[in-house]
Amino acid sequence: DAGITQSPRHKVTETGTPVTLRCHQTENHRYMYWYRQDPGHGLRLIHYSYGVKDTDKGEVSDGYSVSRSKTEDFLLTLESATSSQTSVYFCAISGRGPQDGYTFGSGTRLTVV
Amino acid sequence: KNEVEQSPQNLTAQEGEFITINCSYSVGISALHWLQQHPGGGIVSLFMLSSGKKKHGRLIATINIQEKHSSLHITASHPRDSAVYICAVDNYGQNFVFGPGTRLSVLP
Repeated sequence: DAGITQSPRHKVTETGTPVTLRCHQTENHRYMYWYRQDPGHGLRLIHYSYGVKDTDKGEVSDGYSVSRSKTEDFLLTLESATSSQTSVYFCAISGRGPQDGYTFGSGTRLTVV
Repeated sequence: KNEVEQSPQNLTAQEGEFITINCSYSVGISALHWLQQHPGGGIVSLFMLSSGKKKHGRLIATINIQEKHSSLHITASHPRDSAVYICAVDNYGQNFVFGPGTRLSVLP
């Protein structure tokens, strides 16, 4: 009963193909985030959502889009995957934002070949 | 210059040693968090601090708001403490700013 699950856990895809990662929560939290984690970098924010259909860009949003059609699901889409998007992707949730802290998903390791 | 910096970047210690990881930040914050990430694993929250000091088991976290600095201490370190430790600050925004992490290896 993790409260937050990411799928898939691992994916290998070819350059130029679309990819969608899913984050699902059972906590009814308002805030959901997508981060990428790369060697030598801290967690970098891709996009976040502060409610259904309410999303905003983070610092590394180019090449990514998101959707949140219901509270529990936050989807991250790579429209046309590139090798530079090979990374580990983490989803996080929070009730009221950073003041409540985050709960992180287990991560998705994406490899673009 | 990154808004949140950590030192050291990598740290190797012998079992039983006292360990200190440092975090400095350049923005105004409402709180600072220490997170732990085990190899291949998820990320868990250890502490949230807005002032002073907190202790949980062998872990101690301190923060000096005036100096914009926080430290995470591990007493009597153990190989199971091997992980990446991440400092994150809440700068009154809608999301955290993360440090780059400190990779700790504790050898038996």
